[in-house]
Amino acid sequence: DTGVSQDPRHKITKRGQNVTFRCDPISEHNRLYWYRQTLGQGPEFLTYFQNEAQLEKSRLLSDRFSAERPKGSFSTLEIQRTEQGDSAMYLCASSSPTGLGGYGYTFGSGTRLTVV
Amino acid sequence: AQSVTQLDSQVPVFEEAPVELRCNYSSSVSVYLFWYVQYPNQGLQLLLKYLSGSTLVKGINGFEAEFNKSQTSFHLRKPSVHISDTAEYFCAVQESPDNQGGKLIFGQGTELSVKP
Repeated sequence: DTGVSQDPRHKITKRGQNVTFRCDPISEHNRLYWYRQTLGQGPEFLTYFQNEAQLEKSRLLSDRFSAERPKGSFSTLEIQRTEQGDSAMYLCASSSPTGLGGYGYTFGSGTRLTVV
Repeated sequence: AQSVTQLDSQVPVFEEAPVELRCNYSSSVSVYLFWYVQYPNQGLQLLLKYLSGSTLVKGINGFEAEFNKSQTSFHLRKPSVHISDTAEYFCAVQESPDNQGGKLIFGQGTELSVKP
């Protein structure tokens, strides 16, 4: 297993366009998380899934954002009508079934979104 | 609500000198504590974690951290830094046990710059 994969690595889009990112977690991990990281800041929690169920959404996740994990494996994060403030690194992470104390919490390399 | 404060946004240091990166947290419940390192345009790599037991935790690359419950601190130290340690360092907390789904709350980050 090669870890958590995110695609694309970089995305430049025009304001108002829709974008979709994909995350492939470690195969045996049942939890999947999305974080957003803006320049000079730490990552901020957006949402997480346990299997295919989305169990929590941050208030940061406006109505323009939607995340899915249809079969409990890969996940997608879609941003509709992008705004310049959406420019950030979007990080995906997955964790092992025990989930105790961050065991097996692995991050992907992220997707850097630039909205022009 | 939990929060994390990293007291220094930037720490310049000469090669082979010791370094300490400071982290304070606030929480009304027990927490797990973590330090992550992030190299440019990459995801987060776990340096070390405190779950329970000994308050002195050793991690990868010669780093260690000490959990101080009374001062709610988890400072990261290395006795002798290398140029390759230049990176962004993040302190993070997670509620213990992970009733909150295992999400991490991050500090703002400390940029460690090691100079020859």
